[in-house]
Amino acid sequence: NAGVTQTPKFRILKIGQSMTLQCTQDMNHNYMYWYRQDPGMGLKLIYYSVGAGITDKGEVPNGYNVSRSTTEDFPLRLELAAPSQTSVYFCATGGAGVGNEQFFGPGTRLTVL
Amino acid sequence: GEDVEQSLFLSVREGDSSVINCTYTDSSSTYLYWYKQEPGAGLQLLTYIFSNMDMKQDQRLTVLLNKKDKHLSLRIADTQTGDSAIYFCAAAGGGADGLTFGKGTHLIIQP
Repeated sequence: NAGVTQTPKFRILKIGQSMTLQCTQDMNHNYMYWYRQDPGMGLKLIYYSVGAGITDKGEVPNGYNVSRSTTEDFPLRLELAAPSQTSVYFCATGGAGVGNEQFFGPGTRLTVL
Repeated sequence: GEDVEQSLFLSVREGDSSVINCTYTDSSSTYLYWYKQEPGAGLQLLTYIFSNMDMKQDQRLTVLLNKKDKHLSLRIADTQTGDSAIYFCAAAGGGADGLTFGKGTHLIIQP
């Protein structure tokens, strides 16, 4: 099992460009999450989903959109990239364990210039 | 909302025990977690504890929870160079709640 996979690993965008960060899981978890990690900080929740067709905002949703058409995939879209979106983005899944644990992908490092 | 605080750095000698501390503010947090992040990598779940527990032990790891003071600690016995990483404390209320993370503690191992 691959667990949680994210593509791309690295990306540089120009201000105003758009892109989609991909996240796929083969753990059959219902819950999926997107977090961002800024330098020297903990992770902050951007969006989450409790199942296909259901998404909700987290703490820092502005400038992002998500969709959840299948259990496996939870892409994160940046429409108009801004330097403030320079960060490392982590996708996570959860909802199946006794401890409600979340399992993280390897991350996408995004730089907006 | 929830706020999670950790000290930023901890330096220990190889072979000693490491104790990483964390405080949280929301008494309704049901689950408390410790994650490990090595350079350039994602977060690896180390262990978790329910809010109705005082202690949990898992091999070299011991988690202590003082719910009254909202204080959580992670003890790593016999610290090795491979334990060098950033350790994040996180709290969640349960269900589909996202995790609230501290800023992470850099564990530095001295030979």
